[in-house]
Amino acid sequence: KQEVTQIPAALSVPEGENLVLNCSFTDSAIYNLQWFRQDPGKGLTSLLLIQSSQREQTSGRLNASLDKSSGRSTLYIAASQPGDSATYLCAVPTGGGNKLTFGTGTQLKVEL
Amino acid sequence: DTAVSQTPKYLVTQMGNDKSIKCEQNLGHDTMYWYKQDSKKFLKIMFSYNNKELIINETVPNRFSPKSPDKAHLNLHINSLELGDSAVYFCASSQASGAGGGPQHFGDGTRLSIL
Repeated sequence: KQEVTQIPAALSVPEGENLVLNCSFTDSAIYNLQWFRQDPGKGLTSLLLIQSSQREQTSGRLNASLDKSSGRSTLYIAASQPGDSATYLCAVPTGGGNKLTFGTGTQLKVEL
Repeated sequence: DTAVSQTPKYLVTQMGNDKSIKCEQNLGHDTMYWYKQDSKKFLKIMFSYNNKELIINETVPNRFSPKSPDKAHLNLHINSLELGDSAVYFCASSQASGAGGGPQHFGDGTRLSIL
């Protein structure tokens, strides 16, 4: 059974800092990995989807990397801003790809 | 706007009642999902439908009955509501089913509170 874990559970950083969020999964036979952002009281916004054949995917200040063999993905946020404050979730397809199994989330706060 | 939309956004009701949550997507996707987010913010799949057909039922109590009248709609009816049903329910959609079905797009959630 696939289990997805995110460390740390919560993170508080000053504005401008570069930071890394971690996602670990127990079954390395994944098809892809998706990173989401959830703002309080809102739904999930898809940030990046990285295919199993890719090692990196970039969008603006965000960079996601994937190391299938070690069961890890990282989300790198450059030059963090207060507007980046949110909960970040990673998820992998399971059940033949017909559902997502989510990580436990990292709650990020970027302070002025 | 192209989106996944859910109604209502908030639902407060008493234990034992029956309620429905509606979801619609205008993205032209074939596959729709219901997820539950508990008080600890953990998200878990409940149901998945592809082109109106059920493909995932994640051992959800049969008080929960999803219905897909067409591939753009997936509604969730809940009978005999219990305190433990209090959660945020998210609808999502993707282009197709399976791991190659593309990223999932989520609605804003329905916050269900049972008194």
